[in-house]
Amino acid sequence: AQSVSQHNHHVILSEAASLELGCNYSYGGTVNLFWYVQYPGQHLQLLLKYFSGDPLVKGIKGFEAEFIKSKFSFNLRKPSVQWSDTAEYFCAVNAPPGTYKYIFGTGTRLKVLA
Amino acid sequence: GAGVSQSPSNKVTEKGKDVELRCDPISGHTALYWYRQRLGQGLEFLIYFQGNSAPDKSGLPSDRFSAERTGESVSTLTIQRTQQEDSAVYLCASSPREGHVTQYFGPGTRLTVL
Repeated sequence: AQSVSQHNHHVILSEAASLELGCNYSYGGTVNLFWYVQYPGQHLQLLLKYFSGDPLVKGIKGFEAEFIKSKFSFNLRKPSVQWSDTAEYFCAVNAPPGTYKYIFGTGTRLKVLA
Repeated sequence: GAGVSQSPSNKVTEKGKDVELRCDPISGHTALYWYRQRLGQGLEFLIYFQGNSAPDKSGLPSDRFSAERTGESVSTLTIQRTQQEDSAVYLCASSPREGHVTQYFGPGTRLTVL
């Protein structure tokens, strides 16, 4: 069965630290990939997405993610986190691409200490 | 424009009671999704609507769960004879059309079954 794994369930960082959140998926074909973010008290919103082309994707608020096909990975990065990045982050796969089928990871709770 | 809205935001019910959860998608969005998010887990797909038909109900956990949608508008998720394991956040998302891969999420309904 298709699955999405987020290995870090809880991450605590100090402001200005660098961030990398892991995401691996299991699906043999082409995929569309997403990172969603849920700030405290707010609903899920799209952070960035990859459909095709440049495997390094830039998103909002300085986030980026790199699609490495050979590793089935789509890790999220940010060079310098801020307190306002405290949130829960979800990786998601749309497979087959362009269908309604999405699989979400279990999420990573990030806490940034001021 | 307005985003996806859900009501109620919180629902506390007693075991064995029926509950109805409502989702208002973004106007013009033909695709609508329901997900369940249990504490510490990822989003679990429940059902997908294209217009008012539900081509995939495979995620509904049991026959106590049902959903309907009026045209390309409001959807209701009904849980009959609620059980404690039904406690979760129920999320609704919509997208402009089938195959349009970006989903827009509502704030969710937090259901607590006592």
